[in-house]
Amino acid sequence: SQTIHQWPATLVQPVGSPLSLECTVEGTSNPNLYWYRQAAGRGLQLLFYSVGIGQISSEVPQNLSASRPQDRQFILSSKKLLLSDSGFYLCAWSLDLARWPQHFGDGTRLSIL
Amino acid sequence: RKEVEQDPGPFNVPEGATVAFNCTYSNSASQSFFWYRQDCRKEPKLLMSVYSSGNEDGRFTAQLNRASQYISLLIRDSKLSDSATYLCVVNGNTDKLIFGTGTRLQVFP
Repeated sequence: SQTIHQWPATLVQPVGSPLSLECTVEGTSNPNLYWYRQAAGRGLQLLFYSVGIGQISSEVPQNLSASRPQDRQFILSSKKLLLSDSGFYLCAWSLDLARWPQHFGDGTRLSIL
Repeated sequence: RKEVEQDPGPFNVPEGATVAFNCTYSNSASQSFFWYRQDCRKEPKLLMSVYSSGNEDGRFTAQLNRASQYISLLIRDSKLSDSATYLCVVNGNTDKLIFGTGTRLQVFP
């Protein structure tokens, strides 16, 4: 069966520091991968998605970037964090973009001080 | 108009009650529909897919109304453990899944 791992679970970072969040999927090949952010009490905001190695689509302009160096690895990065980057970051995978449901990792709660 | 819209609630219901949520969508060509459940400070989890003819999973029933472009989720015999936010998911105009902002359910003793 497929599993998705996301770490760390919690992260506290100072403003201006870099960020790297990693997500890996096991048990499937060529998954579609997603990064979402959820502010407290709000809905999910799609940040990036990827349909293959090296292929990244950005949904909103922002201070973040994503990379997919391997088939089942998805990384979310920032060179300099802003206070507004605080939130709950979720990685997800699916078999395709529109027909199959997405499955989420446990999430990373990021606080910027 | 938002691609997927839900009443944010909260819906406060006693244990044992039946409660229903609706979710409207804007893309008449949408083909994929799901309900997710999200507990406080946790990731969303797939509750059930929604099929054209409607489908049931235990106490949960999902329905699709294409003419009026909405899906519904009915929960019978509510349990305290059903308290959560329920997210409606539909494939949108750009053929990606779009998550609604959720409807919060609180079941009280």
